[in-house]
Amino acid sequence: QKEVEQDPGPLSVPEGAIVSLNCTYSNSAFQYFMWYRQYSRKGPELLMYTYSSGNKEDGRFTAQVDKSSKYISLFIRDSQPSDSATYLCAMGSSGSARQLTFGSGTQLTVLP
Amino acid sequence: GAVVSQHPSWVICKSGTSVKIECRSLDFQATTMFWYRQFPKQSLMLMATSNEGSKATYEQGVEKDKFLINHASLTLSTLTVTSAHPEDSSFYICSARVPFGSLGYTFGSGTRLTVV
Repeated sequence: QKEVEQDPGPLSVPEGAIVSLNCTYSNSAFQYFMWYRQYSRKGPELLMYTYSSGNKEDGRFTAQVDKSSKYISLFIRDSQPSDSATYLCAMGSSGSARQLTFGSGTQLTVLP
Repeated sequence: GAVVSQHPSWVICKSGTSVKIECRSLDFQATTMFWYRQFPKQSLMLMATSNEGSKATYEQGVEKDKFLINHASLTLSTLTVTSAHPEDSSFYICSARVPFGSLGYTFGSGTRLTVV
């Protein structure tokens, strides 16, 4: 079993739709959680960063963490064609500065 | 802030030659950098952790003699793919942990390596 599971998609939605992206994890040592957006042939860029259960909002993006269920989500409101990209969840533990563990990424296409 | 500059963005080389990829932290000091490899439509796979002034730590299954990592200063880490083969063709990305705020990790723009 992978430490982090993410539905690879692809996911296709019409412009303006609400998008829900999800990851589950098995390692209870994970303490901080991130969402990255990666455009084709580019490096990932950080969208959201959180280290507690609950919701964190930034513009059209909301990150949700449920540590008891080991489940995290990213919601995108009023999705735009420019949101079309691959979204990667990532998580790490404060006890190890070594690395992040990434999900496999969900490919999202927002149709105009 | 918190920018990692990676170059080249793409490179084509012949089998048997070596290729060097550079990553520089532009506005912060990165004592640790991470090197990832990514195949098409797959996630990032950590290859090694690069520590300034010391030897890199390689993940299991990564050949340290093929993927040479040097982290000679607090702002520069390099990955050299030695004696490259077509199966080394991939997207290589570096990353560094941002040492301030809650910006997490920042990534370079990646290097597309094609070995012919």
